[in-house]
Amino acid sequence: RKEVEQDPGPFNVPEGATVAFNCTYSNSASQSFFWYRQDCRKEPKLLMSVYSSGNEDGRFTAQLNRASQYISLLIRDSKLSDSATYLCVVTVATDSWGKFQFGAGTQVVVTP
Amino acid sequence: EAQVTQNPRYLITVTGKKLTVTCSQNMNHEYMSWYRQDPGLGLRQIYYSMNVEVTDKGDVPEGYKVSRKEKRNFPLILESPSPNQTSLYFCASSATGRKKTQYFGPGTRLLVL
Repeated sequence: RKEVEQDPGPFNVPEGATVAFNCTYSNSASQSFFWYRQDCRKEPKLLMSVYSSGNEDGRFTAQLNRASQYISLLIRDSKLSDSATYLCVVTVATDSWGKFQFGAGTQVVVTP
Repeated sequence: EAQVTQNPRYLITVTGKKLTVTCSQNMNHEYMSWYRQDPGLGLRQIYYSMNVEVTDKGDVPEGYKVSRKEKRNFPLILESPSPNQTSLYFCASSATGRKKTQYFGPGTRLLVL
């Protein structure tokens, strides 16, 4: 079983619509959580960190549910430029924060 | 411009021929890391370094070596490449701290025949 799992999609979303997807993690000791964005096998770029109380950055909202061990990303008012693969990233173990585990990514396709 | 650079960007080689992929960052970051990305598997961490002369294994270190003699450089060495090391490789760096943003290099596409 993978440590970090994501629905690969694709999620086909009309422009202007809302899309949401989750990422589950298996290690209950996971400490930090992030969403990265990756365009077409280019380098990943940080979209946002995920905080315990949930956080918002413009049209993007991230939530963390420690009890059920998942994080979510919601994109409102989708733009064509939001088409990308979204990677869920988790750090594990308090004594080795340098280890990161990535999900395989969720592909989002925003259509006109 | 703040950046992470990798060289080469593309490489075709043959089984057993030693190769090195260089990674350099100009942001004075303590932390650096190497990942490989394969379809359906996502990015998997190979090695990481918390600072100069401090390196540790990630999830898939077999067949790879690294060194961190200087803060800015973190080369990835494949002593005897095999076809299963054909992949897209990314180097990343960040300031210290588990919540710090990782900045990725542009990637190196490696094909081992």
